[in-house]
Amino acid sequence: AQKVTQAQTEISVVEKEDVTLDCVYETRDTTYYLFWYKQPPSGELVFLIRRNSFDEQNEISGRYSWNFQKSTSSFNFTITASQVVDSAVYFCALYILTGGGNKLTFGTGTQLKVEL
Amino acid sequence: NAGVTQTPKFQVLKTGQSMTLQCAQDMNHEYMSWYRQDPGMGLRLIHYSVGAGITDQGEVPNGYNVSRSTTEDFPLRLLSAAPSQTSVYFCASSNRVSVGNTIYFGEGSWLTVV
Repeated sequence: AQKVTQAQTEISVVEKEDVTLDCVYETRDTTYYLFWYKQPPSGELVFLIRRNSFDEQNEISGRYSWNFQKSTSSFNFTITASQVVDSAVYFCALYILTGGGNKLTFGTGTQLKVEL
Repeated sequence: NAGVTQTPKFQVLKTGQSMTLQCAQDMNHEYMSWYRQDPGMGLRLIHYSVGAGITDQGEVPNGYNVSRSTTEDFPLRLLSAAPSQTSVYFCASSNRVSVGNTIYFGEGSWLTVV
């Protein structure tokens, strides 16, 4: 069975601080995909990134960066110079190829609060 | 969110009532699914579909029914609402993830059962 663990329930930072959100996953499948979604206070789910298990390159998109390490089954998300608009719940999710459809296994989410 | 529409956005039901949450997508996606989001539990899969006429159960299917008569629509039916079904419901759609597609979500439906 698949599992995603986001051990940090809530993180509070002051604006302009860097913050890393942790994601650890478990699967026996060798082909899988990892996703991050952002859920702002308005409630919708916003896609941030998708990464497959064969691509361990780190990715940077503006202030966002992702560190994928298969050796530790982790796919961590860093926000550099955080802003108040980054306040949201962030979900990490796992998709396995053999699962069928578009089934995702979600972590429980990390609530990020960025204060002035 | 790109092309996944959920209605209604908010609904209050009495215990025992039935209702249907609607989900429609205009991106010609093969795959659609329903999740529920509860505090501290992330999102959990209720039912999913891999094409018109094909549906299957997810992690928490009890008390829910689905059908997929068209590619565009994937309604979720609550047969006899219970307070335990108070939740936020999300519909998702996509084509095959393995060929570079992502999974898009609707804006959510907030359901309260009293």
